[in-house]
Formats: sequence, C-alpha cells, structure tokens
Amino acid sequence: GQNIDQPTEMTATEGAIVQINCTYQTSGFNGLFWYQQHAGEAPTFLSYNVLDGLEEKGRFSSFLSRSKGYSYLLLKELQMKDSASYLCAPPSVSGGYNKLIFGAGTRLAVHP
Amino acid sequence: DTGVSQDPRHKITKRGQNVTFRCDPISEHNRLYWYRQTLGQGPEFLTYFQNEAQLEKSRLLSDRFSAERPKGSFSTLEIQRTEQGDSAMYLCASSLVDRVNYGYTFGSGTRLTVV
Repeated sequence: GQNIDQPTEMTATEGAIVQINCTYQTSGFNGLFWYQQHAGEAPTFLSYNVLDGLEEKGRFSSFLSRSKGYSYLLLKELQMKDSASYLCAPPSVSGGYNKLIFGAGTRLAVHP
Repeated sequence: DTGVSQDPRHKITKRGQNVTFRCDPISEHNRLYWYRQTLGQGPEFLTYFQNEAQLEKSRLLSDRFSAERPKGSFSTLEIQRTEQGDSAMYLCASSLVDRVNYGYTFGSGTRLTVV
C-alpha cells in the first residue's frame, strides 16, 4: 500500500496552535488534501495544496513539499470544536492518481 | 443541492445475508467513490465510477462486493454472504473531474453491523 504517516493522537489547549505532520510516498508532482472528521461523521474537505508552499485559510493553514513527500496542517486559536480526526490524503501513486488515499488520521483533543 | 445522500444510515444483518446500500451523489458530479472505514482508521478505497463506467476496483476487495452506477447518477454497493469482518462504515463520495481542487464531498455513510 501507499505509506502515509501521521501521528496517531495529539492534545492541545484551547487558544493554542498545533501542527499535524504527514509524510507520504510521493509522485513528486501531485497535490495533497486535508480532511477533518468529527467522531461518527463523514470527512469534510479542509484544504488542497496543488503546489509547494503554504496555503492559508482562516485559522487553518496547510503546507506542502511534493519533492519531500511532506505536508503539515497548522491550526491556530484552537477551539473545542476543533477536536476531531485530521486525515492527510494524497492522490494514489497507482491507478493514474484518480483517487485519494487516506492516512489513518490524527485524533486531536482540545482541552480547556 | 442536497449534498451526497446515503441510504440506509444503519444496517444490522446476520452473517451470510446479502445487503445493498445506495448512494445519491451531487447531481452534477461525474465521479463517484466508495470507501470503507473501520474504527481508528482512515477511509479505505473500494471502487470508483466516472459517469456509469466503473474505472477501478481495489485489488483487496473480495468478489462478494459489487457496485453499479447504471445511469451515471445513483450507485449501489452490494455485499453478498456478509461476514463479521464486513462490519464498517461505508462511505460514498462524489466529485467533478475538472474541479479536483474542490476535493470530494462525502455522504454521511452507512454503518453496517454483521452479527
């Protein structure tokens, strides 16, 4: 299978900043998605990095280095509602990059 | 636009029975995906369609699993002779081929429990 490595769990305090790292087997060309999944719910789209660099969207930012197979999701001003799993999703390196392959996700717990 | 709909939300079945799930994608989306997710894991790819054509099926997928998208709109996923290991959340997602930067939109899933 395609190796996607993310920390299993992280904890942080409300109002703080947390960085969730992801390393993956890269084609060197394709972008990468991040999804958020609350317990018992479907994943929802957070961000897509088509090129290398930092993409900022409100409290959430995502960084990508395609050559290194490395991405991170940065969450600022954490709120309790940010407690969720965060899934790193590069396109599959097999089958023509036509589908996303998801990591196991990082379960983030935000405490008061 | 009502999003991606999946039916039923929950299904409990006895081992050995057949089950069928339905997915209605966002109407203008031409790609439809099926994933399976177990507790503590990310979604695992099963198969996908572009319009009515099934373009890829996971090599890990048993022959007991079959999916159709007869008119390029809704899709069904059937599991024959269910086993306890089939217990999982089955997620459907849809997307537009030429709007890859929008990602997938997932449905709420069908939770299957095989007893």
